[in-house]
Amino acid sequence: GNSVTQMEGPVTLSEEAFLTINCTYTATGYPSLFWYVQYPGEGLQLLLKATKADDKGSNKGFEATYRKETTSFHLEKGSVQVSDSAVYFCALSTSGTYKYIFGTGTRLKVLA
Amino acid sequence: DGGITQSPKYLFRKEGQNVTLSCEQNLNHDAMYWYRQDPGQGLRLIYYSQIVNDFQKGDIAEGYSVSREKKESFPLTVTSAQKNPTAFYLCASSIEGQPYEQYFGPGTRLTVT
Repeated sequence: GNSVTQMEGPVTLSEEAFLTINCTYTATGYPSLFWYVQYPGEGLQLLLKATKADDKGSNKGFEATYRKETTSFHLEKGSVQVSDSAVYFCALSTSGTYKYIFGTGTRLKVLA
Repeated sequence: DGGITQSPKYLFRKEGQNVTLSCEQNLNHDAMYWYRQDPGQGLRLIYYSQIVNDFQKGDIAEGYSVSREKKESFPLTVTSAQKNPTAFYLCASSIEGQPYEQYFGPGTRLTVT
């Protein structure tokens, strides 16, 4: 079946460091891929998405590229800020279904 | 402002009691969803509804029930049959034809003792 695997956290970085959070997936067909962010005590917010191979999603300095050959959708940011501290979820959805598959989430802590 | 409202933010119940969590949206979305979030387990789908008066079980529907009498509302009842109900519950919605982009409410934290 479909699945999403994320790197375990917490990831702790100093402000202005480079961020990578790994995400790989297993899916039949051609899924759409997403990164969501969850700040403490809140719901999830869509951060970025990509709907086909080689698409790059980007938002607020975050980027992720849909790599079909490696079934990956790694999240990157060149210079993190304290305000980026949150839990990040990778997710997929396959066409014809209303169901998402979420990863387990990766907690990011950015220290000043 | 358009969005999804969940109330209350925190809810406390005694074991053996049913409890209903509210979810309302004014985004004019057709599809709505309920998820459960536990530490270290990501989100798991409880129920979803594509249109009014229709809903389907998700991956962990046992011990839960829903209704969809209005497009804007999708309440979730946690029954006494749910063996481990303490969790963070998230409601979401999406536009018909775009199931791959979901909008989430702020969540309700339910504690059952």
